[in-house]
Amino acid sequence: QVQLVQSGAEVKKPGASVKISCKASGYTFTNYFMHWVRQAPGQGLEWMGIINPRGGSTDYAQQFQGRVTMTRDTATSTVYMELSSLRSDDTAIFYCARGRFWGQGTLVIVSS
Amino acid sequence: DIRMTQSPSSLSASVGDRVTITCQASQDIGNYLNWYQHKPGEAPKLLIYDASTLVTGVSSRFSGSGSGTDFTFTISSLQPEDIATYYCQRYDNVPPYPFGQGTKLDI
Repeated sequence: QVQLVQSGAEVKKPGASVKISCKASGYTFTNYFMHWVRQAPGQGLEWMGIINPRGGSTDYAQQFQGRVTMTRDTATSTVYMELSSLRSDDTAIFYCARGRFWGQGTLVIVSS
Repeated sequence: DIRMTQSPSSLSASVGDRVTITCQASQDIGNYLNWYQHKPGEAPKLLIYDASTLVTGVSSRFSGSGSGTDFTFTISSLQPEDIATYYCQRYDNVPPYPFGQGTKLDI
């Protein structure tokens, strides 16, 4: 069965970077694009971007351009999302998602 | 970029009520629209894709319709377990893929 398992919660200081992993299993990793979505406290779902695991090409939401990098490792069927120059309003739950399949979410807290 | 406008932002209804949420795209998106249910502490759940196709295993009280720019999501008979926030999201082959603002549904 399809599973997306994300890395654990992180606490970061403002200005730092965070890199979250999402390990896929139960399907052919390179056949499906992977999205990243975040939800800040009290806010709605926000689409961050998408990566094509086959070639590694990416498309990012405009509001994250310059701060987000999505990569993949086909050997381990894992995608990564790195967000830099963290601010307190980046505190959120981050999800990887492939259509009906979602990771469990990773809480990132940005606090001095 | 194509913008998705969802309404209402919140909705209060009674058990057994018919509930309708609308989503409007700023440009024609064909039928490339998903509807998600999101409960606190859980990952979002895809209910409907291609505007009207129910995901396998999802209750038939959920339905979707529309194409082009105007879309509707309906719960035919509201149940207590339907309390959640619902989102539309466009999805075709041209990013970005924004979500609507969400509709918080309570009883």
